[in-house]
Amino acid sequence: AQRVTQPEKLLSVFKGAPVELKCNYSYSGSPELFWYVQYSRQRLQLLLRHISRESIKGFTADLNKGETSFHLKKPFAQEEDSAMYYCALTSDSGGYQKVTFGTGTKLQVIP
Amino acid sequence: GAVVSQHPSRVICKSGTSVKIECRSLDFQATTMFWYRQFPKQSLMLMATSNEGSKATYEQGVEKDKFLINHASLTLSTLTVTSAHPEDSSFYICSARAPNQPQHFGDGTRLSIL
Repeated sequence: AQRVTQPEKLLSVFKGAPVELKCNYSYSGSPELFWYVQYSRQRLQLLLRHISRESIKGFTADLNKGETSFHLKKPFAQEEDSAMYYCALTSDSGGYQKVTFGTGTKLQVIP
Repeated sequence: GAVVSQHPSRVICKSGTSVKIECRSLDFQATTMFWYRQFPKQSLMLMATSNEGSKATYEQGVEKDKFLINHASLTLSTLTVTSAHPEDSSFYICSARAPNQPQHFGDGTRLSIL
């Protein structure tokens, strides 16, 4: 069974402080990992996917297979980063795709 | 960018009614569509995955006869909640993806059964 764990329900940081949203997963195969963000009253949208290895809005996330982690990081938090962040894992088995979301972390950036 | 339209955004109906929710990919062909349910202050729970032209694959604990999913075309999937009861009240979200692309989400449908 695949599982995604986001240990923090709420993370409060001051503007300009570094941010790290934790995500750990369990899956026996090769997973696809994503970070999604949901701003207030908006739909869920993709922030990052691990295979892209890109930086979006200053956020980066590196897949660490040894630690089975995919933590989301940003060196300097901005007020507009306040949102709900979900880590998700997608696996593909014989054409069937299964998606598992973490419970989400609410990021609150304090001015 | 890829857009997914979900309709209706809000439904209020009486117990025993069947409710259909539509999910459309507007500018791409969605070979796979997903249906989620989200309870208040909780994460998204995958209900089922559907590939165009084939039967949906339901997650454990999701009643197939209760939640009918149809994915008849590359741009449309529907979720029908049959004989809905108050415990079916929830926020339902669809997403769609093209091959090797990430999911794109709809705005969700808030279903309230009286």
